[in-house]
Amino acid sequence: QKEVEQDPGPLSVPEGAIVSLNCTYSNSAFQYFMWYRQYSRKGPELLMYTYSSGNKEDGRFTAQVDKSSKYISLFIRDSQPSDSATYLCVVTISYSGAGSYQLTFGKGTKLSVIP
Amino acid sequence: DAGVIQSPRHEVTEMGQEVTLRCKPISGHNSLFWYRQTMMRGLELLIYFNNNVPIDDSGMPEDRFSAKMPNASFSTLKIQPSEPRDSAVYFCASSPYVGGGAREQFFGPGTRLTVL
Repeated sequence: QKEVEQDPGPLSVPEGAIVSLNCTYSNSAFQYFMWYRQYSRKGPELLMYTYSSGNKEDGRFTAQVDKSSKYISLFIRDSQPSDSATYLCVVTISYSGAGSYQLTFGKGTKLSVIP
Repeated sequence: DAGVIQSPRHEVTEMGQEVTLRCKPISGHNSLFWYRQTMMRGLELLIYFNNNVPIDDSGMPEDRFSAKMPNASFSTLKIQPSEPRDSAVYFCASSPYVGGGAREQFFGPGTRLTVL
């Protein structure tokens, strides 16, 4: 079983739609959760990070973590064509100390927002 | 701020040739990471440097791969000899945090390598 499973898509939605992107992970040792966004022909960039179960909002983006079911979600409200990218869920074991540099990436979900 | 700089952006070579990828991290960053991205395997960490010292190279696929960081502003990833299965996008990332994986890593634009 892969450590992080993510539906690769592609996912195509009309502008203004609510988008839901999801990941599952297998190791309960993972404690910190991130979403990176990768535009075509670019490197990934950090979008959001959280360490607790529950929701974290940043503008149109909401990250949701359920540690009991090992499930991570990213919601995008009022999606825009500029949101078209690949979204990578990322987990790591600790905030600092041994192993904290090791980010485990999902394979990414490719999103297209159609005007 | 120039961000992480990688060169070349594209490299096409023939099997058996030596390939050298270069990276200039963001000034002041203490950690440097080399990743490889393919459709099949996604993004994989190859090696991690902390203050120019290699900390973990367990992700390097085999002895054909080597990485160096002679100073805080330059790193290389070398493949010798190259094989078609090495075709991928290679990313360099840097971070201002020592061992700070849970914090942000700043990625370069990547080098797209094709081995024929």
